[in-house]
Amino acid sequence: GAGVSQSPSNKVTEKGKDVELRCDPISGHTALYWYRQSLGQGLEFLIYFQGNSAPDKSGLPSDRFSAERTGGSVSTLTIQRTQQEDSAVYLCASSAPGQGGTEAFFGQGTRLTVV
Amino acid sequence: GENVEQHPSTLSVQEGDSAVIKCTYSDSASNYFPWYKQELGKGPQLIIDIRSNVGEKKDQRIAVTLNKTAKHFSLHITETQPEDSAVYFCAASIVSGGYNKLIFGAGTRLAVHP
Repeated sequence: GAGVSQSPSNKVTEKGKDVELRCDPISGHTALYWYRQSLGQGLEFLIYFQGNSAPDKSGLPSDRFSAERTGGSVSTLTIQRTQQEDSAVYLCASSAPGQGGTEAFFGQGTRLTVV
Repeated sequence: GENVEQHPSTLSVQEGDSAVIKCTYSDSASNYFPWYKQELGKGPQLIIDIRSNVGEKKDQRIAVTLNKTAKHFSLHITETQPEDSAVYFCAASIVSGGYNKLIFGAGTRLAVHP
């Protein structure tokens, strides 16, 4: 596709259930980021991939959160035993390789609601 | 650790006035500074960016200035219009694990009143 694609766009889940959020980055983009945005708040960094490895996963809030990336492309963010405080919009972004940073393109996000 | 601070958190202006949003960063090695606009229900979109080898960049009604010595950069919107109303995020690229990572400010909610 032409842009970053995230699925599902909306997810309602019961407290305690596991969820998987998917991100399809732009082809050729080696860097991939996950952010969390609570209602009316800023972008909370979760994890950053370069290729399939995650040099920085310092933003994952607890061990219930994990992410992987395969083939240097698709990434999945998994939240186990969801809690109500996990409700937020989860945004994925990707960027091309380049010296000194390049533009990050965002997906539309997945709105997660834990009831 | 790495940090980007953004001010103000909210900004309200009359249509036609100018709006200025300021950011400071902590990593002196940062050399790429993008600005994003996020409209309701959408992901952030790049509106302008600047690299450390220039001090100012303009694109129609939008301009960004960079002061590397003071480690701050600003977004200037002139002749604001109601459609400029959105949340704006600044970011700085820092080196993490040998790669460049974007760190975002907390955002500024801009309201332009007709």
